[in-house]
Amino acid sequence: DGGITQSPKYLFRKEGQNVTLSCEQNLNHDAMYWYRQDPGQGLRLIYYSQIVNDFQKGDIAEGYSVSREKKESFPLTVTSAQKNPTAFYLCASTWDIRQDSNQPQHFGDGTRLSIL
Amino acid sequence: AQKVTQAQTEISVVEKEDVTLDCVYETRDTTYYLFWYKQPPSGELVFLIRRNSFDEQNEISGRYSWNFQKSTSSFNFTITASQVVDSAVYFCALDRGSTLGRLYFGRGTQLTVWP
Repeated sequence: DGGITQSPKYLFRKEGQNVTLSCEQNLNHDAMYWYRQDPGQGLRLIYYSQIVNDFQKGDIAEGYSVSREKKESFPLTVTSAQKNPTAFYLCASTWDIRQDSNQPQHFGDGTRLSIL
Repeated sequence: AQKVTQAQTEISVVEKEDVTLDCVYETRDTTYYLFWYKQPPSGELVFLIRRNSFDEQNEISGRYSWNFQKSTSSFNFTITASQVVDSAVYFCALDRGSTLGRLYFGRGTQLTVWP
């Protein structure tokens, strides 16, 4: 079955450490997104990518980095510069938004990141 | 600026009651898209419906119905004869319709349906 796979499901970060969250999709979607969700908050966009080797900052990109070397993969690194990383992270993907921005985004199951 | 407001933080109902979730949005764009997503306790977001700004026709799908009113910038969601399995967080979201394809989310409404 096609879908979006996020791993790990739970992740713990030590102070000063960088950690990477994985997001893989086999839907042949062009665009991919990373959102952060805090308790009682909606989702906020961290980074997004429309095509391979290209990505743009969202609303809260500070302390995060991404890469898009393959169409199906969009890993997110939470760097030590992100002072409050504890949150639920959701990855999403959709078809070429330049062709049809009307497409709903499909979401993965999320990764819950906590500080040790 | 784009903004989505879901004023109801939590709603509790008893099974078989009808419940309406409110969503008010702000945008200066003339073309935009509105979405409802459901987030069950497992965490993933499940797409429910999409509406574009040129289509104010209300829609009914089984026990779900949506009321889109541009005059009041509202896109409300009603569940008829609620069930325990409807318990989840429901998010309203706005897409500006530009090539960015990014979504602006409300804070969500936690719906609890008691047996």
